[in-house]
Amino acid sequence: EADIYQTPRYLVIGTGKKITLECSQTMGHDKMYWYQQDPGMELHLIHYSYGVNSTEKGDLSSESTVSRIRTEHFPLTLESARPSHTSQYLCASSEQHRETNQPQHFGDGTRLSIL
Amino acid sequence: GQQLNQSPQSMFIQEGEDVSMNCTSSSIFNTWLWYKQDPGEGPVLLIALYKAGELTSNGRLTAQFGITRKDSFLNISASIPSDVGIYFCAGANTGTASKLTFGTGTRLQVTL
Repeated sequence: EADIYQTPRYLVIGTGKKITLECSQTMGHDKMYWYQQDPGMELHLIHYSYGVNSTEKGDLSSESTVSRIRTEHFPLTLESARPSHTSQYLCASSEQHRETNQPQHFGDGTRLSIL
Repeated sequence: GQQLNQSPQSMFIQEGEDVSMNCTSSSIFNTWLWYKQDPGEGPVLLIALYKAGELTSNGRLTAQFGITRKDSFLNISASIPSDVGIYFCAGANTGTASKLTFGTGTRLQVTL
């Protein structure tokens, strides 16, 4: 069973605040990902990481930033939150494998509401 | 960019019925994954497919990797109330950091 944890689960906060969404995994996975998902809609990749000190932009442009200082930790930061950032943010991780795409395992997400 | 279309968008079925849904892509993938997402939770992996033509089962679920590599199918037999949720397909290609492209989702509701 995948062990990937996101905090907080829910966050309601005012415009202009700095926000950090936490994501940790205990599986030693090299690859980690952040997705943005509006309710009932498809997931869009916003950031990913191959490993420590690696961060890449995803397919959907995002004003958020990420860091990967430790293998198990991949936080996402919004410097100044706006109502347009209201969404669900999902973190995922997967093993590194040379020949096949290993499935991604997801956390339960952070539902973010910016007032 | 790549786009995955899932069909149907939503479906209501009666408990005990079989369910079929599919996912089609405008381009080729060499990995297909099927996930289920319950409200307020993250997607949970159901089945992973790695070879064109592959047919894989997981309990009452069966998924197939289409021969053209541009589509995949998921079948659920004898549906039960806990099958309710949104089913997402996702495709990936080797060498792209295992980046997944997700489908638009099929919302399944089961009536007793």
